[in-house]
Amino acid sequence: QKEVEQDPGPLSVPEGAIVSLNCTYSNSAFQYFMWYRQYSRKGPELLMYTYSSGNKEDGRFTAQVDKSSKYISLFIRDSQPSDSATYLCAGLDYQLIWGAGTKLIIKP
Amino acid sequence: DAGVIQSPRHEVTEMGQEVTLRCKPISGHDYLFWYRQTMMRGLELLIYFNNNVPIDDSGMPEDRFSAKMPNASFSTLKIQPSEPRDSAVYFCASSLGGLSSYEQYFGPGTRLTVT
Repeated sequence: QKEVEQDPGPLSVPEGAIVSLNCTYSNSAFQYFMWYRQYSRKGPELLMYTYSSGNKEDGRFTAQVDKSSKYISLFIRDSQPSDSATYLCAGLDYQLIWGAGTKLIIKP
Repeated sequence: DAGVIQSPRHEVTEMGQEVTLRCKPISGHDYLFWYRQTMMRGLELLIYFNNNVPIDDSGMPEDRFSAKMPNASFSTLKIQPSEPRDSAVYFCASSLGGLSSYEQYFGPGTRLTVT
């Protein structure tokens, strides 16, 4: 079992929809949780991070961590075609442990 | 800042040939990471350096892979001899805080195809 599990998708939704991306993890030592966004033919870039449990909001994006269930979520409101990308979750122990990434497609 | 720079962007080579991938990290960053990304295995950490010194190469798949960082602004990842299963996108990333930094800055990657 991988330390961070993520459905690779693809997930296809219409423009304007609310998107929910999820990961589960097994390492109880994770304190920081990250979402990276990777556009096609580009390197990943940090989108948001959360420390421990709770929510963090940044514009249309909300990151949520539930340490009791070891569940990480990223919500995108009012999704746009420009949000189409692969979203990778990661947990931080002594190093970043990456999920496989979920490919998201927003249809105009 | 130009960000992390990698070259070449694309490399096509024949099995058995030597391949050298190059990376220039962001100026002032003291950690440098080499990753490999494939559909099957996702993003894998191969090796990382701190202040030009290799710290952990446990992710290097086998002896055919080697990495060097002769100075703070340059690193290479070499595969000799290359095999078709080495086909992947190789990313270089740099950061200020090392492994415990949650923010790593990635280059655009080198897409390697070994035929």
